[in-house]
Amino acid sequence: AQSVSQHNHHVILSEAASLELGCNYSYGGTVNLFWYVQYPGQHLQLLLKYFSGDPLVKGIKGFEAEFIKSKFSFNLRKPSVQWSDTAEYFCAVNARSNYQLIWGAGTKLIIKP
Amino acid sequence: SAVISQKPSRDICQRGTSLTIQCQVDSQVTMMFWYRQQPGQSLTLIATANQGSEATYESGFVIDKFPISRPNLTFSTLTVSNMSPEDSSIYLCSVRTGSNTGELFFGEGSRLTVL
Repeated sequence: AQSVSQHNHHVILSEAASLELGCNYSYGGTVNLFWYVQYPGQHLQLLLKYFSGDPLVKGIKGFEAEFIKSKFSFNLRKPSVQWSDTAEYFCAVNARSNYQLIWGAGTKLIIKP
Repeated sequence: SAVISQKPSRDICQRGTSLTIQCQVDSQVTMMFWYRQQPGQSLTLIATANQGSEATYESGFVIDKFPISRPNLTFSTLTVSNMSPEDSSIYLCSVRTGSNTGELFFGEGSRLTVL
């Protein structure tokens, strides 16, 4: 069965630190990959997505993610975090043949001012 | 994209009662989904709301407990029946637009607390 693993459940960083959140999936076929973010008190919103083409994807608010097919990974990065990046981040994957998204458990990111 | 409104945004309910959550979308959408997000856990798909027919439920979820309506392409309801404290959760409505990429748009969620 397909699954998505997010390695860190909680991450605490200081402002200006660099961020990398891990995401690995298990599925051998072609996939679409997503990172969603949920800011405190707000709804889930799309941060970035990968469907095809350049494996380095840029999203909103300075986030980027790199799809490494050989490693089944889609790690989220940001070179310098801000206090406003405090949120929960979810990685999600769907097989091209199936509309259903499979979700990771989420990573709670806290940025200390 | 799609703008999704959910009501209520939160509620506190007594054990044994039922609550209906409404989801309104600002455009016609092909697919609507209901998710549950329990404290400290990821999103779990409850069912796909099908317009004009019965919802398609995921393993572990049944129609008697979570009846769903979808009378048209912009509206759906989820009822949580005979609630118990284990049903305390955030319930999310999400939609997929015409694209076949799997991208979902979400409502703000309905936070239910069952006493």
